[in-house]
Amino acid sequence: AQSVSQHNHHVILSEAASLELGCNYSYGGTVNLFWYVQYPGQHLQLLLKYFSGDPLVKGIKGFEAEFIKSKFSFNLRKPSVQWSDTAEYFCAVIVYNFNKFYFGSGTKLNVKP
Amino acid sequence: DAMVIQNPRYQVTQFGKPVTLSCSQTLNHNVMYWYQQKSSQAPKLLFHYYDKDFNNEADTPDNFQSRRPNTSFCFLDIRSPGLGDAAMYLCATSTSSGGAHEQYFGPGTRLTVT
Repeated sequence: AQSVSQHNHHVILSEAASLELGCNYSYGGTVNLFWYVQYPGQHLQLLLKYFSGDPLVKGIKGFEAEFIKSKFSFNLRKPSVQWSDTAEYFCAVIVYNFNKFYFGSGTKLNVKP
Repeated sequence: DAMVIQNPRYQVTQFGKPVTLSCSQTLNHNVMYWYQQKSSQAPKLLFHYYDKDFNNEADTPDNFQSRRPNTSFCFLDIRSPGLGDAAMYLCATSTSSGGAHEQYFGPGTRLTVT
């Protein structure tokens, strides 16, 4: 069965630190990849997505992610985090031409001011 | 703004008392999903509608059912809630034309079972 792994469950950073959250998936076919963010008390929002083309994708709020097919990874990065980035981040994979999302278990990011 | 709306945001029900959660969307998307999310866990897909076609996940308990009377509305019925059904329930929508597309989520309904 397909699965999505987020190895960092809880990350604590100081403002201006760099961020990298790991995401690995287990499916050998064509996939589409997403990162969603859930701010405290709010609904899941799309940060960025990869469908095809340039494996380095840029999203909102200065986030980017790199798709490395050989490593089945789609890690999320931000060069300098802000206190307002405190949230939970979910990686998600959808198998091409199917409608099912597979979510990782999420990473809680706590940015200290 | 086009959006996904869930009502109520908070629902308290008694053990064994049927409860219905509702979701509506103004995006005119043909696919609607229901997820269950427990604390510190990934959202777990319960079922989805592809237009009027209902697709149940293999491990979704029989206690959970869904109705989609039209494109805009979708309901989650829990026939006999147990304590283990307390969770956040998320509704999402997407369009399905030509491959895979992002999902748009509602704010969720937090269900408490007493």
